[in-house]
Amino acid sequence: QVQLVQSGAEVKKPGASVKISCRASGYMFTGFYIHWVRQAPGQGLEWMGLIHPNSGDTNYAQRFQGRVTMTRDTSFTTAYMELSRLESDDTAIYFCARVSTGYDAFDFWGQGTMVTVSS
Amino acid sequence: DIQMTQSPSSLSASVGDRVTITCRASQTISSYLNWYQQKPGKAPKLLIYGASILLSGVPSRFSGSESGTDFTLTISSLQPEDFATYYCQQTYSAVTFGGGTKVEIK
Repeated sequence: QVQLVQSGAEVKKPGASVKISCRASGYMFTGFYIHWVRQAPGQGLEWMGLIHPNSGDTNYAQRFQGRVTMTRDTSFTTAYMELSRLESDDTAIYFCARVSTGYDAFDFWGQGTMVTVSS
Repeated sequence: DIQMTQSPSSLSASVGDRVTITCRASQTISSYLNWYQQKPGKAPKLLIYGASILLSGVPSRFSGSESGTDFTLTISSLQPEDFATYYCQQTYSAVTFGGGTKVEIK
């Protein structure tokens, strides 16, 4: 069955970087886009960007341009999202999600990774 | 950027009630509108894609419709497991989520 399993919770200091992994299984990893979405405590969902695992092509939300890097390792069927220059406002749960072919909906999600930014 | 205005932000309803949630897009998005349900501490779950296509396995009490740039999620008879937060999402140009609607027990 399709599964996206994310790395564990992180605690970082302001100014540091964080890199989260999303390991895919149960389907052809290179055939489906992976998106990253975050959710601050008690808030809504915010799209960060996407990567196509086959080509490595990326598209980032404007507000994260210059601060986010999405990569993948096809050998390990794993996608990564690195966010740099962390601030307290980056405290959130970060999700990866797979896009299905139907209207680019996110049909499978990772379990989420909590990132806490605190001095 | 395309903005998605979702309303209401919260509502109280009873089991058996008919519930309607609306999303308005700031420009045309064709039918690239998806609906998700999220329960506390969990990842969102896809319910409806393409504005009105029910994902396999989702109960038929959920339905979606569209009229121009207005989109509606309807729960025909609210069940105890439906108390959650619902989000719309446009994928026509990049990705934008609505602000969410929390459905609470009356």
